[in-house]
Amino acid sequence: SAVISQKPSRDICQRGTSLTIQCQVDSQVTMMFWYRQQPGQSLTLIATANQGSEATYESGFVIDKFPISRPNLTFSTLTVSNMSPEDSSIYLCSAGGLVRNEQFFGPGTRLTVL
Amino acid sequence: AQSVSQHNHHVILSEAASLELGCNYSYGGTVNLFWYVQYPGQHLQLLLKYFSGDPLVKGIKGFEAEFIKSKFSFNLRKPSVQWSDTAEYFCAVRPNFGNEKLTFGTGTRLTIIP
Repeated sequence: SAVISQKPSRDICQRGTSLTIQCQVDSQVTMMFWYRQQPGQSLTLIATANQGSEATYESGFVIDKFPISRPNLTFSTLTVSNMSPEDSSIYLCSAGGLVRNEQFFGPGTRLTVL
Repeated sequence: AQSVSQHNHHVILSEAASLELGCNYSYGGTVNLFWYVQYPGQHLQLLLKYFSGDPLVKGIKGFEAEFIKSKFSFNLRKPSVQWSDTAEYFCAVRPNFGNEKLTFGTGTRLTIIP
């Protein structure tokens, strides 16, 4: 299995500011993903973080709002830009492609926007 | 695109009761199926998975799930639940090829009464 860490674990931010979330995996992985889990809801895929190229975004998510970097096979960042209270959520990093399509999740970053 | 339905939003059981949580998916091809669990305050963990072969799969902590292809179902079962099983349970599906995107169901909150 993979061990995935995220920083920060939680943050409280003001409207209009941006927050960058870091995700570190303890081994090289093929795929990295970013999800959002809004209160009381399921996980929604934001984008697939591609190493060395632009992320692939799901419908409803755009690069200007959620820029993503993936400089190598173990690290990725997600920025939540120009935040509003609607962005309050848990943001989860995930890594996959290790063994037979298993996918593992980080502990999440709980974001509150005031 | 694939989709996942979990019809039970909140299930309340007494300890030692038997558990069955429903999961149905929609997709025309071969799929990989997963159950994840999220204990209070913890991150998502993989309970069990189905890729191929025996449709009855066993996971951690005494859980099992049966893949019924004709019904597009992958229900989670446990013969005797414990208070520590209180958690949120998510079913997820991914096509057995392509870009490894998981689609999650809306989750079932399980509350076990001592």
